[in-house]
Amino acid sequence: SAVISQKPSRDICQRGTSLTIQCQVDSQVTMMFWYRQQPGQSLTLIATANQGSEATYESGFVIDKFPISRPNLTFSTLTVSNMSPEDSSIYLCSVKGEWGTGELFFGEGSRLTVL
Amino acid sequence: AQSVTQPDIHITVSEGASLELRCNYSYGATPYLFWYVQSPGQGLQLLLKYFSGDTLVQGIKGFEAEFKRSQSSFNLRKPSVHWSDAAEYFCAVGGWNTDKLIFGTGTRLQVFP
Repeated sequence: SAVISQKPSRDICQRGTSLTIQCQVDSQVTMMFWYRQQPGQSLTLIATANQGSEATYESGFVIDKFPISRPNLTFSTLTVSNMSPEDSSIYLCSVKGEWGTGELFFGEGSRLTVL
Repeated sequence: AQSVTQPDIHITVSEGASLELRCNYSYGATPYLFWYVQSPGQGLQLLLKYFSGDTLVQGIKGFEAEFKRSQSSFNLRKPSVHWSDAAEYFCAVGGWNTDKLIFGTGTRLQVFP
């Protein structure tokens, strides 16, 4: 399985600021996925990041709020813009397994608290 | 609509006892099914998966799960729970024609000595 590193692991942010989360994978992957896990909730897919094209956002998520970069096949960033307390969540980066059986592998997540 | 239901929000068991976590799914095509575990402050770790073949699948850490198509279920089992199994468990469903996984709301497992 791929090794996925995320930074920061946690942060406390002020309302109205923005924070960029970095995700590094130890192998080249076509797609990277960003999920959000709100407190006590399950995981919700924010967007799919493809190298060389615009990210594809799920319903309820927009590029202005969650801009994503994908400069190469091993790296992606997710920015949470103009944060409010409702953005306090764990943000998880993930990639598909290489066996074509649909599983995802996850980084350890970035826990954001917005005051 | 595609969905995953984990009916048990919180389960408490004694160390050494057997465990079964329930998962029901709704999916329009042949499902790929997964169980993940999330320890406090950690990301998600894949325990096991089903995509075809034998409906009883073995995973890591002594876990197994059984796919029952007639019941749209994929319950997770372990014969003897260890204190280190205390964590949040998520069931998820996907398919051959999609990159997305749909997750259940999770079951929090507490283990008493």
